[in-house]
Amino acid sequence: ELKVEQNPLFLSMQEGKNYTIYCNYSTTSDRLYWYRQDPGKSLESLFVLLSNGAVKQEGRLMASLDTKARLSTLHITAAVHDLSATYFCAVDRSGGGADGLTFGKGTHLIIQP
Amino acid sequence: ETGVTQTPRHLVMGMTNKKSLKCEQHLGHNAMYWYKQSAKKPLELMFVYNFKEQTENNSVPSRFSPECPNSSHLFLHLHTLQPEDSALYLCASSQRLAGVTYNEQFFGPGTRLTVL
Repeated sequence: ELKVEQNPLFLSMQEGKNYTIYCNYSTTSDRLYWYRQDPGKSLESLFVLLSNGAVKQEGRLMASLDTKARLSTLHITAAVHDLSATYFCAVDRSGGGADGLTFGKGTHLIIQP
Repeated sequence: ETGVTQTPRHLVMGMTNKKSLKCEQHLGHNAMYWYKQSAKKPLELMFVYNFKEQTENNSVPSRFSPECPNSSHLFLHLHTLQPEDSALYLCASSQRLAGVTYNEQFFGPGTRLTVL
């Protein structure tokens, strides 16, 4: 059974600080996804990582993938309040695409002014 | 309408009621999904439809019945639900392309379901 574990599950940090969210998964996969969810809203796709060593950046967020370690990280640089949300990582359940995703429990991030 | 839409956004029903959730995607995708999001649990995949054909039923109780009449519409029919079925039900869609194995999914806003 594919398992996806995120840590921390809850993170409170101050504006201007840096932090990293970790996502470990239990099966070989070279496709990993990061999503953001605001309270009462749906999931918004942030990053799609498709190969070992992939790195993507958007603003203050940077995601990376190490398929050998089965680890992805989401790094937040100089956090701002607008980044407060719940962040999920997800992995394809099986190869071939167009299958369901297995999600981590999410990291609830609060950034305080 | 753009993206993935879901109706209703909120639904309260008794355990003996029958209701349906509707999802419509305006992205031209050919795969659609139902997920359940409960408090304190990860998102759980319920059903997968590729080209209108159900390709996965993730051990979902029969009181949940999906229907996909075409590649743009997806329904979830509900009957004799239990209070523990109260959750946010999310619909998603993606584009299955030949030779492409990644699966970026786009989510609707969800239906908040409360079963009394």
